[in-house]
Order: sequence, then C-alpha cells, then structure tokens
Amino acid sequence: GQSLEQPSEVTAVEGAIVQINCTYQTSGFYGLSWYQQHDGGAPTFLSYNALDGLEETGRFSSFLSRSDSYGYLLLQELQMKDSASYFCAVGETGANNLFFGTGTRLTVIP
Amino acid sequence: DTGVSQNPRHKITKRGQNVTFRCDPISEHNRLYWYRQTLGQGPEFLTYFQNEAQLEKSRLLSDRFSAERPKGSFSTLEIQRTEQGDSAMYLCASSLTGQGYPDTQYFGPGTRLTVL
Repeated sequence: GQSLEQPSEVTAVEGAIVQINCTYQTSGFYGLSWYQQHDGGAPTFLSYNALDGLEETGRFSSFLSRSDSYGYLLLQELQMKDSASYFCAVGETGANNLFFGTGTRLTVIP
Repeated sequence: DTGVSQNPRHKITKRGQNVTFRCDPISEHNRLYWYRQTLGQGPEFLTYFQNEAQLEKSRLLSDRFSAERPKGSFSTLEIQRTEQGDSAMYLCASSLTGQGYPDTQYFGPGTRLTVL
C-alpha cells in the first residue's frame, strides 16, 4: 500500500517563503507530483519530480530525495491568491493513477 | 482547449436512488480518470480508461459503481442504490499518453453529490 504524510495546515505572511513537506511510503515509486486546489475548485497540476533534486517553475519549486522518501514544495513571494490546499501525490511503476496525500491547507495572511 | 468539463456540478438525491455523472475530457486526451474526494481529504482514485478500455479499478469501486467510456471520448459514472456514504465530490481528470510518466492529469471542476 501507499501512505503520504504532509502537515495539515500552514500559515505564512504575504511576501514570505513557505515550504510544505511530504514524506511517502510506496512500492515501485515513480515520481512525486504536487497539485493546488482552491476551495470549491479543481486540483491543478503544479510540479513533478521523478529524479532527485530541485525543479523550479516560477515562484514554485519542488524537491525530491528518493533515498529519504521525502519531497517538498517551496512557494516564494507568497501572494494572497496562494491560499489553497496543496497535495502531494505519488505515482507507482506500472500504474497510471495517482495516490494523493490528505493535503496541506496554506493560509497567507497580510 | 476548453478543459475538462463535468455535469451536473451538483446533485442531491435520496438514498436508494441511482445517479449518473458525465465527464467530457480535453479533446485529444486518450486517458480518463475518476476520483472521489471527501472534505479534508485528497482525491481517491476510482478507475481509469485508456481510450474506451477500462484498465484499472480501485477496490473502492464497489459493484454499485459502474463507469463507461463507450467511444473513447466522454465518460459516465453511475452509482446505483446510493448510500449516504457516497456523498462526496466526484472528480474527473484526463491526460495524454507520452507527455510524461505518470501523465500530467488535468482535473475537471467535479460533481458534488449529496445523498439524503
């Protein structure tokens, strides 16, 4: 089976940097994805890591360490619109579905 | 690219009734997924199609649930004899093979089901 752990809530100040961690346990690991979901909205793809290291996409970066079964999403220059839930999700070798964590609710305050 | 669309957006039904939801994926996407999401949880995988073939089903998909994608385009998810525990947001996603592994999945806005 799979399991993912991420903090349930994070609060940060507008303009700051926040890191959302994700640890996972799964067999046949094949990549860690991050999705953003605003209240009442659809999950939206943010980033994907298959190999160790940092992937940068604008204000968002994602990091993966396969040996530690750990990854994180880094959000820089936080804006109020970044208030949302953030989910890490794992893909497994041979399967095309994603297994999602329970999500981290990020609140950005002025 | 009009994105993934789902209908209806909201459905209220009485326990024991049957309901059917529709998903229209992004037009060139050959893979289509159904997920279920309850409050405070991440999406849970239910089933997925490649073209018209249903290739994977979660054990969450009881025999009251059935999904079809008859022409490899839109898909329907039917729940028979609904139970209060079926109340959730039902999300559809689509992807295009060959755009990475696992595919980047694009989600629709979901159908919120409330079973009274």
